[in-house]
Amino acid sequence: NAGVTQTPKFQVLKTGQSMTLQCAQDMNHEYMSWYRQDPGMGLRLIHYSVGAGITDQGEVPNGYNVSRSTTEDFPLRLLSAAPSQTSVYFCASRNRPSEQFFGPGTRLTVL
Amino acid sequence: GDSVTQMEGPVTLSEEACLTINCTYTATGYPSLFWYVQYPGEGLQLLLKATKADDKGSNKGFEATYRKETTSFHLEKGSVQVSDSAVYFCALSIGNDMRFGAGTRLTVKP
Repeated sequence: NAGVTQTPKFQVLKTGQSMTLQCAQDMNHEYMSWYRQDPGMGLRLIHYSVGAGITDQGEVPNGYNVSRSTTEDFPLRLLSAAPSQTSVYFCASRNRPSEQFFGPGTRLTVL
Repeated sequence: GDSVTQMEGPVTLSEEACLTINCTYTATGYPSLFWYVQYPGEGLQLLLKATKADDKGSNKGFEATYRKETTSFHLEKGSVQVSDSAVYFCALSIGNDMRFGAGTRLTVKP
């Protein structure tokens, strides 16, 4: 099993550009989520999904969109990047109520 | 709402010293509690967990006991190694929700 995979590992964007961060898992987990990690603030939940076709907002959803068309994939879209979105992004998956498995992260810089 | 508060770092210790990282939680229900570890340049990995009061989680010499009376889940290790240098996150889970503490950076010097 590859576990949770994320692409790209690094990305630099200009303000106003859009992009999609990819996330996939091969563990048949129902629950997937996106977090951002900023210094001194731990991980904050952006969006999550409890199954294909079902998504919901987390703590910091503004500026991000998600969709869940399959169990395996959960992409995160930045519609119009802003410098405040410079962060490290982690995708995670699990089956309730067990532990979460995290991807290796995407380091995003918005200039 | 549900939340986790953990000891702020950074923490610097010499090899073979004792480690305690404090974690307390606030929850309306009965959460499961976790400690995750993040090594440089990597994602978070589960270190240990406890799902009910008085449970003790342990792994790689680390331990934490779920204390409902003090709403705490402190991480302890009797003798740290240089390879334990990482960021440690306390977390709680209730239903679909999972909340993380801010993280504590540990550096162990030889």
